[in-house]
Amino acid sequence: EVQLVESGGGLGQPGRSLRLSCAASGFRFDDYAMHWVRQVPGRGLEWVSGISWSSGSIAYAESVKGRFTISRDNAKNSLYLQMNSLRGEDTALYYCAKGHEGHIKVAPDYWGQGTPVSVSS
Amino acid sequence: QSVLTQPPSASGTPGQRVTISCSGSSSNIGGYTVNWYQQLPGTAPKLLIYSDTQRPSGVPDRISGSKSGTSASLAISGLQSEDEADYYCAAWDDSLNGRWVFGAGTKLTVL
Repeated sequence: EVQLVESGGGLGQPGRSLRLSCAASGFRFDDYAMHWVRQVPGRGLEWVSGISWSSGSIAYAESVKGRFTISRDNAKNSLYLQMNSLRGEDTALYYCAKGHEGHIKVAPDYWGQGTPVSVSS
Repeated sequence: QSVLTQPPSASGTPGQRVTISCSGSSSNIGGYTVNWYQQLPGTAPKLLIYSDTQRPSGVPDRISGSKSGTSASLAISGLQSEDEADYYCAAWDDSLNGRWVFGAGTKLTVL
């Protein structure tokens, strides 16, 4: 059974940093792309970033480019999102999602339950 | 303003067939496959349709997807109360160095 468990969310101050983690199990992690997608409560889904199976292909939403960094450790079956220069508009529930295949252009299929991030002074 | 356009709401009675549309452009739906997600209240999204028309295992065949040009549709037949949820379309978009784009979502109400 695919399991994705996010952690690291919480309260962050504007301009400061947070690091999200996603622990994956139930599938061969290094075969699949991974993504971060966020959702403001009551609003729609916004893709944040994606990383291919080998980390050779990475993409970001314009809203986070230059501030957020996605990475993965295939030996630890883990995905990360380093969030720097936090802004109020980064407040959302952050989902970790598994790609359907190894490349980031293929749809996310399984999603974790999310970790909440709140940015406020 | 979402890159993919969906109607904000849809409704139907039990047993009916409903469709939800998703309109995009040549940089997304016109050049890449469309995917559909269902999000029940308080839960994570679930993949319903990938590659325009394919159902993951466990998704019933009363749910189907189609695409023509720069538009796609999700159809749910034999509507059931448990289908009441938010539905999102998504596609890869090759503008701005590549990104995933989602529709704003359609709230389906079973009357």
